[in-house]
Amino acid sequence: QKEVEQDPGPLSVPEGAIVSLNCTYSNSAFQYFMWYRQYSRKGPELLMYTYSSGNKEDGRFTAQVDKSSKYISLFIRDSQPSDSATYLCAMMDSNYQLIWGAGTKLIIKP
Amino acid sequence: DVKVTQSSRYLVKRTGEKVFLECVQDMDHENMFWYRQDPGLGLRLIYFSYDVKMKEKGDIPEGYSVSREKKERFSLILESASTNQTSMYLCASSLKGFEQYFGPGTRLTVT
Repeated sequence: QKEVEQDPGPLSVPEGAIVSLNCTYSNSAFQYFMWYRQYSRKGPELLMYTYSSGNKEDGRFTAQVDKSSKYISLFIRDSQPSDSATYLCAMMDSNYQLIWGAGTKLIIKP
Repeated sequence: DVKVTQSSRYLVKRTGEKVFLECVQDMDHENMFWYRQDPGLGLRLIYFSYDVKMKEKGDIPEGYSVSREKKERFSLILESASTNQTSMYLCASSLKGFEQYFGPGTRLTVT
């Protein structure tokens, strides 16, 4: 079993929909939880990060961590075609290394 | 803005060839990383470096080596390329542990 599980999709939704992207993990020692966004033919870029449990909001994006369930989510409100990308979750282990999910390909249909 | 550049976007090599992938960052970051990205497997860490002339193995170092002679440059070497090393290779640098800045990637095909 992988330490971080993420459905690779693709996930296809109409423009304006609320998108929910999720990852589960097995290591209860993870403290930092990140979401990276990767456009086609580009490297990933950090979108948001959360320390420990709780929510964090940045414009149309909300990151949520539930440590009791070992589950993290990224919500995108009022989704736009420009949000079409692969979204990767990542978590930092005790050696300060990032453990990555497989990435979910998101397609927003105009 | 942090800029991480990689020497090639696309590369085609033959089995057994020695392959060099170069990465340069312009923000004086201490930490540099090499990953490979394959469908369904996410990013897997090959090697990383926290300082000049220092290197550490990641999760999948077999068949690879690295060189860091200068702070801004981190090279990945495939000593004898094999078809199972066909992949997207991503270089990254960072100041803080979790905020990594990536280059555009090199898509390597080994035939």
